[in-house]
Amino acid sequence: TQLLEQSPQFLSIQEGENLTVYCNSSSVFSSLQWYRQEPGEGPVLLVTVVTGGEVKKLKRLTFQFGDARKDSSLHITAAQPGDTGLYLCAGAETSGSRLTFGEGTQLTVNP
Amino acid sequence: SAVISQKPSRDICQRGTSLTIQCQVDSQVTMMFWYRQQPGQSLTLIATANQGSEATYESGFVIDKFPISRPNLTFSTLTVSNMSPEDSSIYLCSMIAGSSYEQYFGPGTRLTVT
Repeated sequence: TQLLEQSPQFLSIQEGENLTVYCNSSSVFSSLQWYRQEPGEGPVLLVTVVTGGEVKKLKRLTFQFGDARKDSSLHITAAQPGDTGLYLCAGAETSGSRLTFGEGTQLTVNP
Repeated sequence: SAVISQKPSRDICQRGTSLTIQCQVDSQVTMMFWYRQQPGQSLTLIATANQGSEATYESGFVIDKFPISRPNLTFSTLTVSNMSPEDSSIYLCSMIAGSSYEQYFGPGTRLTVT
């Protein structure tokens, strides 16, 4: 069974600070996805990374897939209160397959 | 991406009863899944809804408790049977289109069992 360890579980920071969320596994994934979820809504897909070493940027968010495709990170620069939410990483063994989810990171950005 | 809707969005049910949750996608999709989530926590996969055949259940979930139907490529239902307070949770459906890696989620159904 593939497992994804996500850290930290909780993060509370002030507006303007930077942060990094980590997602690690001993298994190789064909792709890794990051989601953000707000209360009362379903997870919203932020990015999919499929190539080892790949870096993708989405405005102030930077996503990286490890060279060995076993780990990933999400870095947020100059966090804003609107970034508050539950961030989830999820790995897929193959395309079209079930996802293995990390435990999630509850981020709170205080104004 | 496709639009996914779920009904009901929330419900309060008495123990011992059953609730059927519907998931509708606005286009044909390859894969549909059902998840359970406690508020603020990660998602647990219940089963993969297979079109025209029995669903594939994950360890700890059984068909008698969570019967699933998927009569076509755009619609699926999950029934939570003989409910107990421990079934109180958020239930989410998701889908994958084509051979993509990307999985998209419905808005969820918040179930409270009293």
